[in-house]
Amino acid sequence: SAVISQKPSRDICQRGTSLTIQCQVDSQVTMMFWYRQQPGQSLTLIATANQGSEATYESGFVIDKFPISRPNLTFSTLTVSNMSPEDSSIYLCSGAEGAYFTEAFFGQGTRLTVV
Amino acid sequence: QKEVEQNSGPLSVPEGAIASLNCTYSDRGSQSFFWYRQYSGKSPELIMSIYSNGDKEDGRFTAQLNKASQYVSLLIRDSQPSDSATYLCAVNMGVSSASKIIFGSGTRLSIRP
Repeated sequence: SAVISQKPSRDICQRGTSLTIQCQVDSQVTMMFWYRQQPGQSLTLIATANQGSEATYESGFVIDKFPISRPNLTFSTLTVSNMSPEDSSIYLCSGAEGAYFTEAFFGQGTRLTVV
Repeated sequence: QKEVEQNSGPLSVPEGAIASLNCTYSDRGSQSFFWYRQYSGKSPELIMSIYSNGDKEDGRFTAQLNKASQYVSLLIRDSQPSDSATYLCAVNMGVSSASKIIFGSGTRLSIRP
């Protein structure tokens, strides 16, 4: 299966600043997804990123707060903007391929702490 | 109603027994279904995927799908302590470029020696 390299693996940021998380896939994937996982919780989908089109955001997430780029089929970034302590979480990117997403695989995650 | 529902557990099963994990989903048009295992502090890893009604076996794991009942389950035979983890049910919802993978809340499984 494909491998996603996600970085940074962790960061501590000051409130009001922004952090950009990068995901690099070692093969081309049709879809990439960004999730947030708060402590003890499951994964909440932030947005879906297709190459060459605007990301599709889930309810409760907006582009101004979480801008996403998908310049090609192997790379995507998520920016967490104007951070507050409530943004402290693990952020995960995922790639999926095929009509039925025969395999959806994850990066290692970014553990973000906002102070 | 949540899109993907699971019992949060914890589910405690003796070593060597069968662990049964259940999941229901709301979108009747969903086409593909996944079970992930997540150890504490780690990313989810895919265990099984299933697309057709019936059973799919892979080693000690069997996924079962019933689209009419909107129900998917995972059986783990001969449970081992290393199976202790959170199991996440995920469903591919939507069509084509509008597809998205939605996760349930996860079931914590504990295998007791």
